[in-house]
Amino acid sequence: DIVMTQSPDSLALSLGERATINCKASQSILYISNDKDYLAWYQQKPGQPPRLLVYWASTRESGVPDRFSGSGSGTDFTLTISSLQAEDVAFYYCQQYYHAPYTFGQGTKLEIK
Amino acid sequence: EVQLVETGGGLIQPGGSLRLSCAASGFTVNSNFMNWVRQAPGKGLEWVSVIYPGGTTNYADSVKGRFTVSRDTSKNTLFLQMNSLTAEDTAVYYCARGTPFFDRWGQGTLVTVSS
Repeated sequence: DIVMTQSPDSLALSLGERATINCKASQSILYISNDKDYLAWYQQKPGQPPRLLVYWASTRESGVPDRFSGSGSGTDFTLTISSLQAEDVAFYYCQQYYHAPYTFGQGTKLEIK
Repeated sequence: EVQLVETGGGLIQPGGSLRLSCAASGFTVNSNFMNWVRQAPGKGLEWVSVIYPGGTTNYADSVKGRFTVSRDTSKNTLFLQMNSLTAEDTAVYYCARGTPFFDRWGQGTLVTVSS
């Protein structure tokens, strides 16, 4: 199974600051034949289902604010929020959909300082 | 509009069985990877199972042999049959459409396994 490890587990920043969440896969999730990384990022707020933010490691889902961006390839990935807003308080999860079981990272809790 | 609505959760005794349903609208379940994902209270997301367009299925090791995913194309509905339930199966169960990333999720249904 592919293990997804996020860091940090929690993050507290001031409004307007840049947030960076990292995700490391235990093996490459880059599919050579189509040059795509099978990595997604989700946001989950209390009492709500997860919401897709980014797929193919760097493609923003429709309707997601452009302050959210994804980067990385192979085994190392990053979700960046360029300027933290109050509504960004949530848990964030990375997930590989390269191979079943489609594993998630353990989650990162993002709070306002 | 794409929508997923899960039903069937509830309180069940250890060793019991439960069948969850996920009614889809706005797309056809047999044309997509359809997944079940669960979240235990206060914990992270755990992928549970998938059924592919061709009908092949796959399961997390934690539920293999106990859970069965299926679909009814005439009802455009996904199912999860859960047998031999234990306290560790207590969670909110979500169905999610995979394209192949999970772009649409239901609101979830809570399963509580307790005596």
